[in-house]
Amino acid sequence: GAGVSQTPSNKVTEKGKYVELRCDPISGHTALYWYRQSLGQGPEFLIYFQGTGAADDSGLPNDRFFAVRPEGSVSTLKIQRTERGDSAVYLCASSLRGLDTGELFFGEGSRLTVL
Amino acid sequence: LAKTTQPISMDSYEGQEVNITCSHNNIATNDYITWYQQFPSQGPRFIIQGYKTKVTNEVASLFIPADRKSSTLSLPRVSLSDTAVYYCLVGDGMNYGGSQGNLIFGKGTKLSVKP
Repeated sequence: GAGVSQTPSNKVTEKGKYVELRCDPISGHTALYWYRQSLGQGPEFLIYFQGTGAADDSGLPNDRFFAVRPEGSVSTLKIQRTERGDSAVYLCASSLRGLDTGELFFGEGSRLTVL
Repeated sequence: LAKTTQPISMDSYEGQEVNITCSHNNIATNDYITWYQQFPSQGPRFIIQGYKTKVTNEVASLFIPADRKSSTLSLPRVSLSDTAVYYCLVGDGMNYGGSQGNLIFGKGTKLSVKP
């Protein structure tokens, strides 16, 4: 597709379960970002990939959160032993390395609800 | 990374010009100023980016004074569809593909446009 695609759009799970959220960036975009957004708040940075490697993972809240991008395209955010506080919209964005406008293209997000 | 301060909310009427000011007192020499717009249930969308003086595109203008410690997003003749949250970000726009991927979103300014 033309834009950043995120699946699932909605995910309801129970506390303690494992969750995977997928992001398919714009073709050719080497930079990929994960953010999460709680109601009434701005997006909170989680992790940034440049190619296959995590260039900055300083925003991951704890070791229950992990993200991969094995082939430098699709990325998966993995959350282990989910807690109710993990409920939020998880946003993915991509950008084209070398583009000096710094424009990030966001997907519509995956809404995670932990019961 | 420079922290930004924006008004929490603003009200306007259709057809008016809206100016949203953002303060970023500790902006660094290499930092660019970028504005994003976000509608409910959607990811943020890039509006405009600038470094100094004035930048204009088809949807907005960005005014940056000489000291760069603030910036003003100007939306001409707003319509109901401009009702959204607007975020001001400050970061190294030339190096989004570098080691610093952490782009900080604040709480943004909720703009309500009334008929």
